[in-house]
Amino acid sequence: NAGVMQNPRHLVRRRGQEARLRCSPMKGHSHVYWYRQLPEEGLKFMVYLQKENIIDESGMPKERFSAEFPKEGPSILRIQQVVRGDSAAYFCASSPPTFTEAFFGQGTRLTVV
Amino acid sequence: KNEVEQSPQNLTAQEGEFITINCSYSVGISALHWLQQHPGGGIVSLFMLSSGKKKHGRLIATINIQEKHSSLHITASHPRDSAVYICAVRYSASGSRLTFGEGTQLTVNP
Repeated sequence: NAGVMQNPRHLVRRRGQEARLRCSPMKGHSHVYWYRQLPEEGLKFMVYLQKENIIDESGMPKERFSAEFPKEGPSILRIQQVVRGDSAAYFCASSPPTFTEAFFGQGTRLTVV
Repeated sequence: KNEVEQSPQNLTAQEGEFITINCSYSVGISALHWLQQHPGGGIVSLFMLSSGKKKHGRLIATINIQEKHSSLHITASHPRDSAVYICAVRYSASGSRLTFGEGTQLTVNP
């Protein structure tokens, strides 16, 4: 049973480009969370999704950021027109329906140049 | 003001020492997690607690619901324990998302 898989591990984008971060939850997990860790800061909640539904996006910046978790395939966090301030580590976590545990991926480290 | 407070922020110990990291939170929770993060690495879940105490190897986690406080203990510390330890809570009023402390940077010297 593979853990939470995130790719890519490292992503470099120029200002104005789009960044797509992917997360495949653990098998059997239907809940996906995205968290962001800015340099020298703690982790902050961004969005919580279940298959085909956004449950809570209260932590998402209002513009340029979007997330989806389609019926088939991984969850995607999309950042349009990236700026230097988007440089951070983005972590995905998944949980089973009972919320008895949370498993984290290795993270995607986004650098905007 | 962060809703999850950890102390200390930084901790340096000699190999073999007993280590305690503390976490306090503000209101009712449904669960508390202790996480470990190595530099440039992913996040590993060490424990999830809703009451009492859990032990895994040299790690022990306790929680006092009435005092809204949890501790992570490491017995017989080793240099490979050097990492950032993060307390995260699932507030009852916030659904299932986690709110994180700022983390404790632990360095264990040989």
